[in-house]
Amino acid sequence: AQSVTQLDSHVSVSEGTPVLLRCNYSSSYSPSLFWYVQHPNKGLQLLLKYTSAATLVKGINGFEAEFKKSETSFHLTKPSAHMSDAAEYFCVVSDMRSSASKIIFGSGTRLSIRP
Amino acid sequence: DSGVTQTPKHLITATGQRVTLRCSPRSGDLSVYWYQQSLDQGLQFLIQYYNGEERAKGNILERFSAQQFPDLHSELNLSSLELGDSALYFCASSSWSSGTSYNEQFFGPGTRLTVL
Repeated sequence: AQSVTQLDSHVSVSEGTPVLLRCNYSSSYSPSLFWYVQHPNKGLQLLLKYTSAATLVKGINGFEAEFKKSETSFHLTKPSAHMSDAAEYFCVVSDMRSSASKIIFGSGTRLSIRP
Repeated sequence: DSGVTQTPKHLITATGQRVTLRCSPRSGDLSVYWYQQSLDQGLQFLIQYYNGEERAKGNILERFSAQQFPDLHSELNLSSLELGDSALYFCASSSWSSGTSYNEQFFGPGTRLTVL
């Protein structure tokens, strides 16, 4: 069975400091993993995706995530936070081996940026 | 702009009523997904359609149903509405098909449903 756990419901950092949003997953098969961002009153936008190619994945807006199979983690990082990064972030696991796509969203992490 | 459109943006209705939410996927995408986002339950996958056929079911209530039409647009029907059905309903589309190695979804802006 698949599951995804976002370890922090809320993260607050100062502008210009690093961001770390943590995500652990559980999957019976080789998963596809994604991070999505949702700004207030907006739809979700794909930040980056892991699909069994390189374990370090670069996304938009300076975000990166590293797939660590041994730790079953897919943490999202950014070296320097910007005020515009304040949003809700969702980690997603997708199992493509089934005949239908099964997608599970994490509970979300709200990122706040202090001036 | 994701290329996925949803109408209406906002919907206010009363308990017991029935509403229909509409979604047009990105050009060329055959898969459409519906999600419900509420404060207490988070983002939940409801149902997936692929080229007109139901492919996967999530936490969709029996009072809810969906369909995908030959032109690939999709509708989500919510009936016998309850106060707890108030939520943001998102539609997403992707180019997923059997054998696709991953499933990148593109989300619409959502329909905010308020049940009074």
